[in-house]
Amino acid sequence: EAGVAQSPRYKIIEKRQSVAFWCNPISGHATLYWYQQILGQGPKLLIQFQNNGVVDDSQLPKDRFSAERLKGVDSTLKIQPAKLEDSAVYLCASSSRMGQEGAYNSPLHFGNGTRLTVT
Amino acid sequence: DAKTTQPNSMESNEEEPVHLPCNHSTISGTDYIHWYRQLPSQGPEYVIHGLTSNVNNRMASLAIAEDRKSSTLILHRATLRDAAVYYCILRDNTGNQFYFGTGTSLTVIP
Repeated sequence: EAGVAQSPRYKIIEKRQSVAFWCNPISGHATLYWYQQILGQGPKLLIQFQNNGVVDDSQLPKDRFSAERLKGVDSTLKIQPAKLEDSAVYLCASSSRMGQEGAYNSPLHFGNGTRLTVT
Repeated sequence: DAKTTQPNSMESNEEEPVHLPCNHSTISGTDYIHWYRQLPSQGPEYVIHGLTSNVNNRMASLAIAEDRKSSTLILHRATLRDAAVYYCILRDNTGNQFYFGTGTSLTVIP
């Protein structure tokens, strides 16, 4: 099966500019996640979608970050305006609803991320 | 949400077994233990998961303590391609809040 696709692979912007990242999950996967990974740290969950509804966005800085998954398939994460501290890799992951033991235990499949540098 | 504690780094010689520990003393009865690894410049990759019993798959084995307060990921024969950061994560039965910690950076010595 095709994996999780993300674009662009790299992005360099100046502070206060806007940027958008795109993610296409594995076909049929209902759950989609966006993570931020700062160099040397583990991934930090920003937002989780179940189909096109938000399940968890408690760690999303809503004053500058937004995300949508309008048709329950692909998703876009936007930063407006960007700050220096937003420099990180932005990872998208997807999972199916049901795993072998039932709901919520199917593995997460990650894309290779978008590396954002804010100067 | 329950937290996990892992050593920051470990080393292993190539072709030897590796035991990566994880402590999760506040685990609840419905939390599954998941392991992922992240190779350089790649997204994390699923390794294995379990609830109470030990689990084996083609990549690794997962040994879970009887009281479930700790677990160990076992790579039976380390190769240079196993050099990565390994994350131990607890996942509750809502499927939400899949939070990573800082993980263990594994170095494999040729």
